[in-house]
Amino acid sequence: AQSVTQPDIHITVSEGASLELRCNYSYGATPYLFWYVQSPGQGLQLLLKYFSGDTLVQGIKGFEAEFKRSQSSFNLRKPSVHWSDAAEYFCAVGALNNQGGKLIFGQGTELSVKP
Amino acid sequence: EAGVAQSPRYKIIEKRQSVAFWCNPISGHATLYWYQQILGQGPKLLIQFQNNGVVDDSQLPKDRFSAERLKGVDSTLKIQPAKLEDSAVYLCASSLDRGTNYGYTFGSGTRLTVV
Repeated sequence: AQSVTQPDIHITVSEGASLELRCNYSYGATPYLFWYVQSPGQGLQLLLKYFSGDTLVQGIKGFEAEFKRSQSSFNLRKPSVHWSDAAEYFCAVGALNNQGGKLIFGQGTELSVKP
Repeated sequence: EAGVAQSPRYKIIEKRQSVAFWCNPISGHATLYWYQQILGQGPKLLIQFQNNGVVDDSQLPKDRFSAERLKGVDSTLKIQPAKLEDSAVYLCASSLDRGTNYGYTFGSGTRLTVV
């Protein structure tokens, strides 16, 4: 069955430090992978997505993610974190079948940023 | 372009009462999704519409939840009767078509508290 695992429930980093959020997926075919961010009381905003091609994907707000098929991972990175990056981050896999665009989400990683 | 509109933003009801949520997708978006996000978890798909037809409702608790999308535009999600475990954020999302590359846009959600 398709699934997404985000091993870290909560991460705290200092402002200006680098960030890596982990995501592992289970999917029987080539996955469509996504990272979303959710600020308190807000909906989900798409940061970046991977469909095919270059395994290093650039997104908005300075984020990037790398698809590693051998490790079934799609980790999110940012070289220098800003206080405004504090939010919840969700990794998701697209279930590509005759039902179209269904997304399966991980449980999320809450990011706190220390001044 | 206007985003996905949802109302109300917040709702508090007693268990066994009924409640309804409304969603207005982006104009021209054929596919509409309702997701349930329980605190501490990632969103889970409840139902997916393509125009006014149901594509996937396998995760919808049909004994108490119902949804409709009349005329293929607005959608309403209803819970009757509500249980304590229905406390969650209900997110609506839309995309141009289920065959596209998952160009989801999420609304801000309705936070439901059942007491």
